[in-house]
Amino acid sequence: AQSVTQPDIHITVSEGASLELRCNYSYGATPYLFWYVQSPGQGLQLLLKYFSGDTLVQGIKGFEAEFKRSQSSFNLRKPSVHWSDAAEYFCAVGAGGGKLIFGQGTELSVKP
Amino acid sequence: DSGVTQTPKHLITATGQRVTLRCSPRSGDLSVYWYQQSLDQGLQFLIQYYNGEERAKGNILERFSAQQFPDLHSELNLSSLELGDSALYFCASSDGQGLYNEQFFGPGTRLTVL
Repeated sequence: AQSVTQPDIHITVSEGASLELRCNYSYGATPYLFWYVQSPGQGLQLLLKYFSGDTLVQGIKGFEAEFKRSQSSFNLRKPSVHWSDAAEYFCAVGAGGGKLIFGQGTELSVKP
Repeated sequence: DSGVTQTPKHLITATGQRVTLRCSPRSGDLSVYWYQQSLDQGLQFLIQYYNGEERAKGNILERFSAQQFPDLHSELNLSSLELGDSALYFCASSDGQGLYNEQFFGPGTRLTVL
């Protein structure tokens, strides 16, 4: 069965530091992969997605993610974190139709 | 603002009761999705409708049902409520029915069952 694991429940980084959020997936075929962000009191917003092609995908707000088939990973990165990036981040895999399977989320805190 | 609206924002009710959550998709979107976010289960897909017809089903309990109306708004009905049904319920919409079509999420309805 398809599944997504986000190993880090909570991460704290200093403002201006680089960020990497980990995501591992389990899926039999070529996965469709997504990263969403959820700010407090808000719904989810799509940061980026991978369907095929270039394994390094660029998203909004300066985020990027790299698909590594050999490691079943789709880690999210940002070179320099801003205080406004504090939020919860969800990795998801598409599971047929429009169904998304989400990981448990990683909460990001940003230190001034 | 995603353009997806959900009402009510908050709902407090008692065990055994029935509630209806409402979702209005973005203008022009034909697909509506329902998700449940709880501390225990995380964010889970419940069900998808496309142009009034059910398209995909996830871990939706038999006590829960949904429908999409001709004007494309959707309702999620939760009955015989239990404490464990307390969660944030999200609606999302997209213009198509597949994963190529970005899902836009509403702000959610927070359900508290006492």
